[in-house]
Amino acid sequence: DVKVTQSSRYLVKRTGEKVFLECVQDMDHENMFWYRQDPGLGLRLIYFSYDVKMKEKGDIPEGYSVSREKKERFSLILESASTNQTSMYLCASSSHKIARTTNEKLFFGSGTQLSVL
Amino acid sequence: AQKITQTQPGMFVQEKEAVTLDCTYDTSDPSYGLFWYKQPSSGEMIFLIYQGSYDQQNATEGRYSLNFQKARKSANLVISASQLGDSAMYFCAMRVHNTNAGKSTFGDGTTLTVKP
Repeated sequence: DVKVTQSSRYLVKRTGEKVFLECVQDMDHENMFWYRQDPGLGLRLIYFSYDVKMKEKGDIPEGYSVSREKKERFSLILESASTNQTSMYLCASSSHKIARTTNEKLFFGSGTQLSVL
Repeated sequence: AQKITQTQPGMFVQEKEAVTLDCTYDTSDPSYGLFWYKQPSSGEMIFLIYQGSYDQQNATEGRYSLNFQKARKSANLVISASQLGDSAMYFCAMRVHNTNAGKSTFGDGTTLTVKP
């Protein structure tokens, strides 16, 4: 069974802490994504990567960074967590090196609900 | 820029009845794909159905069908014979042909509740 696995389902951190959210996929997918989901705002793209060590900013990259040292793993980093980063974080992956087609669906993890106090 | 609009924050349907979830989109790119995803309370988003902008026929996948009206820029999801397990949040999404690495734009979602 193909899977995208996020390391934590729930996480509670304090303001100012450095936070790592880990995501691993076992489908040998080239592309990986981090989305943030907030009520009434849908899913917003934070960062994505289409190859190892490659990263590109999404729509809301401020306050976040990412790391992709291995093809299967894509990490989201909050350098100094703030209360407005309390949210559900969803990792996703898709195949094709550069997905110039339109029909490539996303595979998602179960999400990490992060609370910053 | 691409935009997806889902105007129904919440919908109710009686078990075994059909329900339509609305989605309108906006793009100037002639080549694009439209997706519907389901997110149950467990949190994991699940792909349901895909429609390409050049597809002549409406997509169908089991109880799911996509009512694609290109001129109106709408891509409504129709669920036939609703089941209790269909209660979830549903997201409409779009990817355009020139988007790097398959970047998708999502709507705000519709919460569907199926009543017994």
